[in-house]
Amino acid sequence: DSGVTQTPKHLITATGQRVTLRCSPRSGDLSVYWYQQSLDQGLQFLIQYYNGEERAKGNILERFSAQQFPDLHSELNLSSLELGDSALYFCASSVAPSHGFGELFFGEGSRLTVL
Amino acid sequence: AQSVTQLGSHVSVSEGALVLLRCNYSSSVPPYLFWYVQYPNQGLQLLLKYTTGATLVKGINGFEAEFKKSETSFHLTKPSAHMSDAAEYFCAVTTNTGNQFYFGTGTSLTVIP
Repeated sequence: DSGVTQTPKHLITATGQRVTLRCSPRSGDLSVYWYQQSLDQGLQFLIQYYNGEERAKGNILERFSAQQFPDLHSELNLSSLELGDSALYFCASSVAPSHGFGELFFGEGSRLTVL
Repeated sequence: AQSVTQLGSHVSVSEGALVLLRCNYSSSVPPYLFWYVQYPNQGLQLLLKYTTGATLVKGINGFEAEFKKSETSFHLTKPSAHMSDAAEYFCAVTTNTGNQFYFGTGTSLTVIP
């Protein structure tokens, strides 16, 4: 158990819909990362938050947004869903990186299926 | 910017044989390197990491990796494969000033009984 909790584990929805994925980081970790894993694109970095503020942005679509709340949990919002958004979405957390590094601890992921 | 290349998206070995998974990195500053393992329907789990110091690092489950700066490599090895080693393996790089972890495309390891 990594200590990172993601809900829901599985989600099935229709095209055009909106979903919210939730992540609770390990106790004490201030950084939260979101990744998308699909068969054809591997593990893609979406976005990172540190102590409530956006820190780095990767290949995140404009239809997607995220935020980190004062209690440090994070939510990833996916809207106007398309078939191609079907993937496994991972959240990872790390300790407050005083020098910019810290190993990532991953949750078990949220599997999104868009029909 | 940093990047990682994993050579071989699929590797098959016999049980008891040597496991060698290749990872080459690109970084303009000293890298921090990681190997993660992903079992089916699970998240990624840290196997081992190199930050500074000894270039041969040992991880869990008998795996080890050697940082070779001259070859920009961080290959993962295990002397004797076990059936339970069958999984997806990811190499990743970051730096001491970086916020992002760059992952390779992964190598799927199959262990043949």
